Amino acid sequence: EIVMTQSPATLSVSPGEVATLSCRASQTVSVNLAWYQQKPGQAPSLLVYGASSRATGVPARFSASGSGTEFTLTISRLQSEDVAIYYCQQYNDWPIVTFGPGTKVDLK
Amino acid sequence: QVQLVESGGGLVKPGGSLRLSCAASGFTFSDYYMAWIRQVPGKGLEWISYMSSSGSTISYADSVKGRFTISRDNAKNTLYLQMNSLRADDAAMYYCAREAPGYGSGYYDYWGQGVLVTVSS
Repeated sequence: EIVMTQSPATLSVSPGEVATLSCRASQTVSVNLAWYQQKPGQAPSLLVYGASSRATGVPARFSASGSGTEFTLTISRLQSEDVAIYYCQQYNDWPIVTFGPGTKVDLK
Repeated sequence: QVQLVESGGGLVKPGGSLRLSCAASGFTFSDYYMAWIRQVPGKGLEWISYMSSSGSTISYADSVKGRFTISRDNAKNTLYLQMNSLRADDAAMYYCAREAPGYGSGYYDYWGQGVLVTVSS
């Protein structure tokens, strides 16, 4: 099983600043990596797929990059509505997919 | 618009059974692979099962293999999860999710709101 890790566990960022989230895979997943946002009390929603492609309707302040085992999600100009837990997910091992433990983003 | 609505959750005793349903609307259900994913409150996400669009291909996580059964009725636009021999560690929010278009896309573009399963005596 491919194990996903995320860092940091919690990230406190001032409004308008940049948030940088990391995701690492225990073995290469190529670009078969998705990011999800889960706001309090809600289901996860797709942010990014293919390691760097924004899903429909996702604001341009969300950008993502990486390949192989190292991935990054960047939120530029953080807004209050971005407070959430962010999960990465590999699907290189489809249909067995695994998620990272999440990074909680809150406002400083 | 795409909607996935889960139902069937609740409180069950250890060793008991539940059947979850996920009613789909706003898209051609029979064209899409579907999955069940669970989340212990306050914890991360765990993929537990997937079914191909026709129902011919199924996969389970080791944690539920032999106890849970995924199925679908394309005529009723509904996905199911039969859960038997439930254990305390099966207690979680259960989400159904639509796999994005394309064979083996592997990521989920729509999720239901979730249904809570509590396992306790």
